[in-house]
Amino acid sequence: DAGVTQSPTHLIKTRGQQVTLRCSPISGHKSVSWYQQVLGQGPQFIFQYYEKEERGRGNFPDRFSARQFPNYSSELNVNALLLGDSALYLCASSRETGLSEAFFGQGTRLTVV
Amino acid sequence: DAKTTQPNSMESNEEEPVHLPCNHSTISGTDYIHWYRQLPSQGPEYVIHGLTSNVNNRMASLAIAEDRKSSTLILHRATLRDAAVYYCILRESSANDYKLSFGAGTTVTVRA
Repeated sequence: DAGVTQSPTHLIKTRGQQVTLRCSPISGHKSVSWYQQVLGQGPQFIFQYYEKEERGRGNFPDRFSARQFPNYSSELNVNALLLGDSALYLCASSRETGLSEAFFGQGTRLTVV
Repeated sequence: DAKTTQPNSMESNEEEPVHLPCNHSTISGTDYIHWYRQLPSQGPEYVIHGLTSNVNNRMASLAIAEDRKSSTLILHRATLRDAAVYYCILRESSANDYKLSFGAGTTVTVRA
């Protein structure tokens, strides 16, 4: 089975622009989560979606939004980009919520200039 | 979120065991102890988890103190591929626990 796939792998955007990141979970996984990892720190939780509904939201501004589609793939949108949004954005999928093992993708490296 | 404390870094020689400590003195009775690791330029990957008893799998062993206030991840024979950041994370035994709360982790260096 293919693992979690994220696209694009790298992205450069200008301050004030908007960006959409995409994630395809492992087949059969209904839960998708998004994390932001700034250089030198551990990943920070942004969102979790389960069965197309938002189940959890981290401490991020409203500029960050996400959605999950009927095929369980997901998009993360960030509006009005700031330099501080430069980070590795990770997507993780799991069969269920709760204690299910999370499988992470390779991430999308976003650079805001 | 329940907190964990890990050393910033540890070094090991190849083919020697590595013992990674984690302190979680405020752990509740329903918290599971999870370990993930992140290899360079990759997303985190699951290593192991446990509640009270020691656990073993193909990747590692998890030794949990009797009072559950600390645990140790054991890599029995370190290889160069084990060089990574290792994260100790507490998770509630609830479907409502939807996130992984990563700290700074322990950076493991393996010398050839």
